Amino acid sequence: ETGVTQSPTHLIKTRGQQVTLRCSSQSGHNTVSWYQQALGQGPQFIFQYYREEENGRGNFPPRFSGLQFPNYSSELNVNALELDDSALYLCASSSKDSWGTEAFFGQGTRLTVV
Amino acid sequence: AQTVTQSQPEMSVQEAETVTLSCTYDTSESDYYLFWYKQPPSRQMILVIRQEAYKQQNATENRFSVNFQKAAKSFSLKISDSQLGDAAMYFCAYSRNNNDMRFGAGTRLTVKP
Repeated sequence: ETGVTQSPTHLIKTRGQQVTLRCSSQSGHNTVSWYQQALGQGPQFIFQYYREEENGRGNFPPRFSGLQFPNYSSELNVNALELDDSALYLCASSSKDSWGTEAFFGQGTRLTVV
Repeated sequence: AQTVTQSQPEMSVQEAETVTLSCTYDTSESDYYLFWYKQPPSRQMILVIRQEAYKQQNATENRFSVNFQKAAKSFSLKISDSQLGDAAMYFCAYSRNNNDMRFGAGTRLTVKP
């Protein structure tokens, strides 16, 4: 068990709606990365937050946005949901201040868009 | 751009036997990390082993070891004495300086009793 918790574990949304996913970071970590894992594929990097600022972004449209809070927990927001947004969303907590620090993953949020 | 390729969508091994999962990657960097993650049906990604590119010695964690060939950009995972609990999806990943990780498409490992 890692100290990274994601909520909710599952949810179902309708196309066009908006969704917010949450992630707590491991104690002592200041970096949270978000990944989208479509069925049968490897995780794809969405973006990373370091000390409350976006610190890198993958090939995802602006309707994917995020926040990181002073306690280093994070949110992923997706607007105007599309059917292809159905996936497992993973967050990973790490410390960017230490080279090569292990990233700890949460158990993921399974999002289904209908 | 860095890419990670896992050419074996599925692998099968008999319990107590040894299996090797393959991974190749592409990068122009000299310092980076490589990882093998295990994802059981519970969905949580669990770190199996990691390798620092500047270290020539292959990493080992109990029954898990890697064969890191930097020049060939190859990073295979060997699982010895396979156990039923080893059955899972295995992902190879690349990262540079705690930035985003690039994952391969995964290999589904089945362990036969």
